Amino acid sequence: NAGVMQNPRHLVRRRGQEARLRCSPMKGHSHVYWYRQLPEEGLKFMVYLQKENIIDESGMPKERFSAEFPKEGPSILRIQQVVRGDSAAYFCASSPQKAGAVDEQFFGPGTRLTVL
Amino acid sequence: AQSVTQLGSHVSVSEGALVLLRCNYSSSVPPYLFWYVQYPNQGLQLLLKYTSAATLVKGINGFEAEFKKSETSFHLTKPSAHMSDAAEYFCAVRGSGSARQLTFGSGTQLTVLP
Repeated sequence: NAGVMQNPRHLVRRRGQEARLRCSPMKGHSHVYWYRQLPEEGLKFMVYLQKENIIDESGMPKERFSAEFPKEGPSILRIQQVVRGDSAAYFCASSPQKAGAVDEQFFGPGTRLTVL
Repeated sequence: AQSVTQLGSHVSVSEGALVLLRCNYSSSVPPYLFWYVQYPNQGLQLLLKYTSAATLVKGINGFEAEFKKSETSFHLTKPSAHMSDAAEYFCAVRGSGSARQLTFGSGTQLTVLP
């Protein structure tokens, strides 16, 4: 069973360009989470999605950031008009849907975004 | 709202010595607590989790943690450090109910000296 897949692993963008980060959850997982890790900091929650639904986006910046998890295909985190402060590692995690259980979140290897 | 505080951003131990990484939590509801390890340029791997079943939790790679409600702590220990334990360790909390996201501490970098 393949783990959580993220691509690309490294992404370089110039200021003002768009960044698209992809996450394929583990097989059978219907919950996806995105976290951002700034240098020398812990991970900060951004958004929680289920298939075709955004459940909690309380950690997402109000502008330029969006996320989706379509019925088919990977989850996408999109950053428009990137700025240098967006440089960070972006991690995706997935978990299964188990009623009444505290399910583990499985993390992908991350996408390291560098904005020049 | 939940939060965790990890005391000590850097910890160094000698190979074979006890590893103790500290984590204190704040939560208005019974918490679920986790320890993750991150090796350089990799994602996070779960070491262990506390879900109220038992206060002493055993995890992978010889690590364990004890939940102490009176001290609001969930410290991570390992009796004997190995060189391969050198990594960054994160404590995280998740509240019960519908809020499923994890709130992470700022991390502790563990160095193991030969």
